[in-house]
Amino acid sequence: GAGVSQSPSNKVTEKGKDVELRCDPISGHTALYWYRQSLGQGLEFLIYFQGNSAPDKSGLPSDRFSAERTGGSVSTLTIQRTQQEDSAVYLCASSGGHVDNSPLHFGNGTRLTVT
Amino acid sequence: QKEVEQDPGPLSVPEGAIVSLNCTYSNSAFQYFMWYRQYSRKGPELLMYTYSSGNKEDGRFTAQVDKSSKYISLFIRDSQPSDSATYLCAITSYGKLTFGQGTILTVHP
Repeated sequence: GAGVSQSPSNKVTEKGKDVELRCDPISGHTALYWYRQSLGQGLEFLIYFQGNSAPDKSGLPSDRFSAERTGGSVSTLTIQRTQQEDSAVYLCASSGGHVDNSPLHFGNGTRLTVT
Repeated sequence: QKEVEQDPGPLSVPEGAIVSLNCTYSNSAFQYFMWYRQYSRKGPELLMYTYSSGNKEDGRFTAQVDKSSKYISLFIRDSQPSDSATYLCAITSYGKLTFGQGTILTVHP
């Protein structure tokens, strides 16, 4: 596909369960970003990958959150022992260059609901 | 104080109106200024991008940056119902991209 693909599009899980969210960036894009968007809030930065390494993990809200990227392509965001406050839309974006002068291309997000 | 402040609205205007969306920022190091548009249940898409003070036009859209006042604006002329969306300002500095909270715009026929 031509765009950033995220799966699943919707996920409902019980409190305490682990979830994995997947992002397929645009082919050839070296930079990959995860953001979280809660109702009425802006985009909250979570983590940034350049290739397979994550130079900036400063936005991960707790040690229950982790992310990895393999082969410079697909990335997974894992949330362990989910809590109700984790309910949000998780957005992935990729970029072909530096964030300062290359636009981010976003997927349509995974809508996570923790019951 | 948040680094980027944006009036969340919501903003409701009649078709054909001129719309003004605004953000203020606190960090003078911010270098690049962007506006993203987000339709319901979709990811944001880049609308406008600029790095200097002044105006940049693209069709019905004008992005304005005033670095001395740390103020950026997006103007939409002849607004259309298809412009109904959430508009997010985004500002970068040395690799860090910071978004405003987003303004919800509804253009009614």
